[in-house]
This record gives sequence, structure tokens and C-alpha cells, in this order.
Amino acid sequence: QQQVKQSPQSLIVQKGGISIINCAYENTAFDYFPWYQQFPGKGPALLIAIRPDVSEKKEGRFTISFNKSAKQFSLHIMDSQPGDSATYFCAASKNSGTYKYIFGTGTRLKVLA
Amino acid sequence: DAGVTQSPTHLIKTRGQQVTLRCSPKSGHDTVSWYQQALGQGPQFIFQYYEEEERQRGNFPDRFSGHQFPNYSSELNVNALLLGDSALYLCASSFYSGSSAYEQYFGPGTRLTVT
Repeated sequence: QQQVKQSPQSLIVQKGGISIINCAYENTAFDYFPWYQQFPGKGPALLIAIRPDVSEKKEGRFTISFNKSAKQFSLHIMDSQPGDSATYFCAASKNSGTYKYIFGTGTRLKVLA
Repeated sequence: DAGVTQSPTHLIKTRGQQVTLRCSPKSGHDTVSWYQQALGQGPQFIFQYYEEEERQRGNFPDRFSGHQFPNYSSELNVNALLLGDSALYLCASSFYSGSSAYEQYFGPGTRLTVT
């Protein structure tokens, strides 16, 4: 019940395309869902986060869609660029983030020039 | 404004040895969490410190211990190192308001190799 399932494991997108990464959770107590971007040899960097009181949040080219009833959330990267090539992790937490983060297994994104 | 800093960057140890990793949180942050990230995997929560006390702990053995200092910096200690302890160790800091915490910001990590 603590797991966060992430798919796909890897993704190849053409420059200018839309990258979509999906996550699913089981624990209905989770109430905070961040997405992190990680480049090789670096720590994860916070991209965008959402709480379940909204169904969508957009920041620049990054959008989180949240489906509370299905217990699923996804990251959409619009106009994908080669510089977006990285590994993306979804995470979930409860008590508005005071609890530990449960991370997905990661999606390796490659954007072709 | 310095972000989360960790030292050392890389470390090579032998099985059975002990290691200490260090973390300085982002300015204004008072909570430090430690994660272990094996190659190709997502980070796994080790423990979290707030007000110099361990507040939460993940599924890691007692060989993993930590400490938080009055200036909010933190150390992660691992005793009796095993080959399986080889990983990237990440420190994340956040600010805890008493009713909720804000985003966790990660440091660059310490790459530990156990031979």
C-alpha cells in the first residue's frame, strides 16, 4: 500500500513532442505529489508538485494531471527539448509533505534533436 | 543563497568499515531527510531529523544512524559496511511549520562505493 508505480521505464520523444509519464498509488492518505528531474551524477531537482484538491497544475512547459478517484497522476512535458533528457521520478507523501517521500522507480526520458 | 550541500562527493570504503556523510540544509530549512538511491532506482527513505531528533525512519537496519546539530546540519553514519550499501546517498532539506512541511530540496549526493 506504500508503493508508487511509475511507467514507462523509458521514453523516447522527438524534439517538440509531448512526453507523458504516469504514476499510480494505493494509499489514499497520500496528499502531496511532487515530480523530480534528475541528471546523471546529480541530485533530484523539484519540478512541480500538486495536492489532491486540484486536478491540474501547470508551470511553464510542465503540467501535472491528477485523478483522485483513479489514484493516478501524470506529468506532461510540452514541446520537449533535448535538454529535458533526464530521469524523472514521481513521489507521494502524506500529512502535506511532513511524511517521508515514497518514490516511483523512475522514467528515463530521451528527447531526440 | 546556497542550496543543500553534501560532503564528500565520492567515497570508497572497504567492507566492515564505518562511514560518515555530512549535509548542510538550505538556508531557512530546519528538517533534514536522508535517502539511499541504488543505481537505476528511485530514492529510498532512510530517516528524517527535526529539532535534533529522529522523527521518522524507513526500513533500514540499525547500522544506519544519524544526528542533527543545533545549526540544522546533519550526519549519516553507516557501520559494518556491506557491498550492498554502495549507492548514492541523498540529503533533502525542508521547512516544517508545525502543521505541514514544504517541498524537499535535494543535495547533489555522496556516491559511496564499498569494495
